[in-house]
Amino acid sequence: AQKITQTQPGMFVQEKEAVTLDCTYDTSDPSYGLFWYKQPSSGEMIFLIYQGSYDQQNATEGRYSLNFQKARKSANLVISASQLGDSAMYFCAMRLSSGTYKYIFGTGTRLKVLA
Amino acid sequence: GAVVSQHPSWVICKSGTSVKIECRSLDFQATTMFWYRQFPKQSLMLMATSNEGSKATYEQGVEKDKFLINHASLTLSTLTVTSAHPEDSSFYICSARLTGTSGTSYNEQFFGPGTRLTVL
Repeated sequence: AQKITQTQPGMFVQEKEAVTLDCTYDTSDPSYGLFWYKQPSSGEMIFLIYQGSYDQQNATEGRYSLNFQKARKSANLVISASQLGDSAMYFCAMRLSSGTYKYIFGTGTRLKVLA
Repeated sequence: GAVVSQHPSWVICKSGTSVKIECRSLDFQATTMFWYRQFPKQSLMLMATSNEGSKATYEQGVEKDKFLINHASLTLSTLTVTSAHPEDSSFYICSARLTGTSGTSYNEQFFGPGTRLTVL
């Protein structure tokens, strides 16, 4: 069964510090994509970063990096130098390559950045 | 580029009425759009996959007659909640897949800003 698991319902981090949000996944498909989205209180889904299953290097996008450990089936998001504006809900998602291109989402982690 | 809009952004309706939500890809064509539902403090749950010119594919447990989806053009999909009841109150989000991508490109699915439905 294909599944995304986020075990941290909530996290706190001090402003300017780094934080890691955990994500593990389960799929038997050799080809898949992993995503992280940020959802502020307004509700919009903001794309942060992507990692393909065949990518050799960990993805990075500015202050965001994805710690991809394929053997462990984990795709943790690292946010460096946290800012107050980073306070939001964060979702890990997996794109299935079964031809439908559907995404499945984890339950999310609510991050609160403290001043 | 790759902007997806939803209309309305919020709607309040009486129980028993029908509500239509539009999802538009503004600057690209989307043969495939997806409709999600999100309850407060919960994750996004895929309701259905909308394919231009054909019937939508619904996820298990989603009532087809309750949530009517029409994808009449490459830039527009609509979700109609028929005979809405208070339990249908939720945040509905659509996404549109950029046509022509192989599925291996990185971010080919773009999300709309969502529609908050409240049924009284």
